Amino acid sequence: GDSVTQMEGPVTLSEEAFLTINCTYTATGYPSLFWYVQYPGEGLQLLLKATKADDKGSNKGFEATYRKETTSFHLEKGSVQVSDSAVYFCALSGGSQGNLIFGKGTKLSVKP
Amino acid sequence: IAGITQAPTSQILAAGRRMTLRCTQDMRHNAMYWYRQDLGLGLRLIHYSNTAGTTGKGEVPDGYSVSRANTDDFPLTLASAVPSQTSVYFCASRPDGGGAYNEQFFGPGTRLTVL
Repeated sequence: GDSVTQMEGPVTLSEEAFLTINCTYTATGYPSLFWYVQYPGEGLQLLLKATKADDKGSNKGFEATYRKETTSFHLEKGSVQVSDSAVYFCALSGGSQGNLIFGKGTKLSVKP
Repeated sequence: IAGITQAPTSQILAAGRRMTLRCTQDMRHNAMYWYRQDLGLGLRLIHYSNTAGTTGKGEVPDGYSVSRANTDDFPLTLASAVPSQTSVYFCASRPDGGGAYNEQFFGPGTRLTVL
């Protein structure tokens, strides 16, 4: 079945460092791909999405490109801030019940 | 403010007790979902509902039941709680246009501890 694999971390970076969180997927169809962010003590918020191959999603300085040839959707940010400390989830649409299929999450800690 | 509300925010429950987690949305979305979040496992689907009056089982449905009497409410019931149901529970809904390719909106979660 469909699945998502992302680096599990935790990832610890200094402020202004470059961030990459890897995400690869397995899907039989043509899913939409998402990154969600969960700040401490809160629910999940959509960070960005891409609905077809070669689409780039972007928001708040974060970017991810839907790469069908490598089945990847890696999250990047050029200069992280302390406020970016959170857990990041990669997800794809296309669960048989219309649900999202999530990776296990990557915890990011940014130190000043 | 449009969105999803969940109650309670947190709960400590004795094993064997019955518990209902409440979820209400005001966006008039037809599809709603319950997920549980466990460390190292991400989010897993418990139950779902594609429209009022219909429900279905997800990946981990055992020990849980749901109902969908109307569009707005989607309660999750633990008939007889067990410690393995200690988790954070998220309710979500999905806009109708675009079908399953749409993003989902999440509530703030309920942190449940079963002792």
